[in-house]
Amino acid sequence: DAGITQSPRHKVTETGTPVTLRCHQTENHRYMYWYRQDPGHGLRLIHYSYGVKDTDKGEVSDGYSVSRSKTEDFLLTLESATSSQTSVYFCAIPRVAGGAYGYTFGSGTRLTVV
Amino acid sequence: KNEVEQSPQNLTAQEGEFITINCSYSVGISALHWLQQHPGGGIVSLFMLSSGKKKHGRLIATINIQEKHSSLHITASHPRDSAVYICAVSNPDKLIFGTGTRLQVFP
Repeated sequence: DAGITQSPRHKVTETGTPVTLRCHQTENHRYMYWYRQDPGHGLRLIHYSYGVKDTDKGEVSDGYSVSRSKTEDFLLTLESATSSQTSVYFCAIPRVAGGAYGYTFGSGTRLTVV
Repeated sequence: KNEVEQSPQNLTAQEGEFITINCSYSVGISALHWLQQHPGGGIVSLFMLSSGKKKHGRLIATINIQEKHSSLHITASHPRDSAVYICAVSNPDKLIFGTGTRLQVFP
C-alpha cells in the first residue's frame, strides 16, 4: 500500500555492529509499530509508538531500541546485532485511527546477521 | 498456548475447491483481522471484523464472538490464492498474530 515505506529492503551485517531500520509514513498517523517475523512464531511486536517521542515496548524488545522524532519516521535500532536478530522486520500503521479499518504494512526488511 | 491459534498450519487444494481456514483466540478483542502474505511478499489486510460476516469477491470471513472463533473461506480456489493467511486480533490497540496457514492451490 502507498503511504508507508521501509528501508533498506535487504541488509547483511556482522555480529556486534549497530543497525538502524527506517519506517516512513505519509499518512500522519500517531501509531506506528515494528514487528519481526520468524518461522513458527508469526509476527511479534518489538516496539510501538503512539506519538512523537512516545514509545513503548512489545513482547520481544530486548536488544532493540526505537526513536520517533517526527510523526512520519519511526526508527528501529539494533545496538549490537546478534544472529538471533536475523529476521524479517515489518513496520505497520493503522489505516485509520485505532486500527478501525485494518492496518497497512511496509514491504519488510530482510536482515541477516552473520 | 498461543493466544491466537490457526488451523490447519498447511493446506493443499485443487483448483476450484472450497477452502476453510480457522482461527481461535483466547483474549478479549476489539476486532479480528485476516491478512494475506504471498511468498517473499508484503502483508495485505483482507478483512477486519468485529461481528458477523464480510465478503469480498471469492473470500468470506465470519466471526463468532461468543465462541471466540473466526473462519476464512475461499470459494472456487485458484492457484493465485496460494499464500500464507494470517489471523490477528486487536487487543485493543496492538495486534496479536497467529502463526499463519500456508495454502497451496494446484491447477
